[in-house]
Amino acid sequence: EVQLQESGPGLVKPSQSLSLTCSVTGYSITSSYRWNWIRKFPGNKLEWMGYINSAGSTNYNPSLKSRISITRDTSKNQFFLQVNSVTTEDTATYYCARLSWDWFAYWGQGTLVTVSS
Amino acid sequence: DIQMTQSPASLSASLEEIVTITCKASQGIDDYLSWYQQKPGKSPQLLIYDATSLADGVPSRFSGSRSGTQYSLKISRPQVDDSGIYYCLQSYSTPYTFGAGTKLELK
Repeated sequence: EVQLQESGPGLVKPSQSLSLTCSVTGYSITSSYRWNWIRKFPGNKLEWMGYINSAGSTNYNPSLKSRISITRDTSKNQFFLQVNSVTTEDTATYYCARLSWDWFAYWGQGTLVTVSS
Repeated sequence: DIQMTQSPASLSASLEEIVTITCKASQGIDDYLSWYQQKPGKSPQLLIYDATSLADGVPSRFSGSRSGTQYSLKISRPQVDDSGIYYCLQSYSTPYTFGAGTKLELK
């Protein structure tokens, strides 16, 4: 069974970087599919942030393009999110998810990140 | 970016009703449309993919349809457990975009 789990700090200071890890079990991230980061803001808005595909290519939401980086460690079957220069507007619950063809069938449980001094 | 205009924002329905939630795409998306249900403290769960296909394990009271660029999710005779927030997603082109969500309360 495919499982994804996010981990990382729950509190980040403004202007610093947010870094999260998504650990995947039950499927190799190099086999196929696109591996995504999605966030949900207070107030319930969902935003797709970007993905890394099985070949290692990335695609980012232009709204974040200058601040975001998605990388991976294939030996650990993990992929990572980094968002630079965070503000309070980046406070959200962050999810990793697998895009299976064109739908998100598998999601992590989500991790809340609060940006505050 | 493709805009997904979802309505209504909230809905209170009885267990005998048929609930309909709609998403209108700002351009054609070739049925690259999926629906999700989210409950408090949980991650979104896939209900419908490719506009009309029921995801594994999802009750048959959920169904999806399309008319032009408007997509609909229908819940026939909803159950109390169907309360939550419902989202549509277009994955036709990046950036993928979600509807604003519909909060469903069952009374």
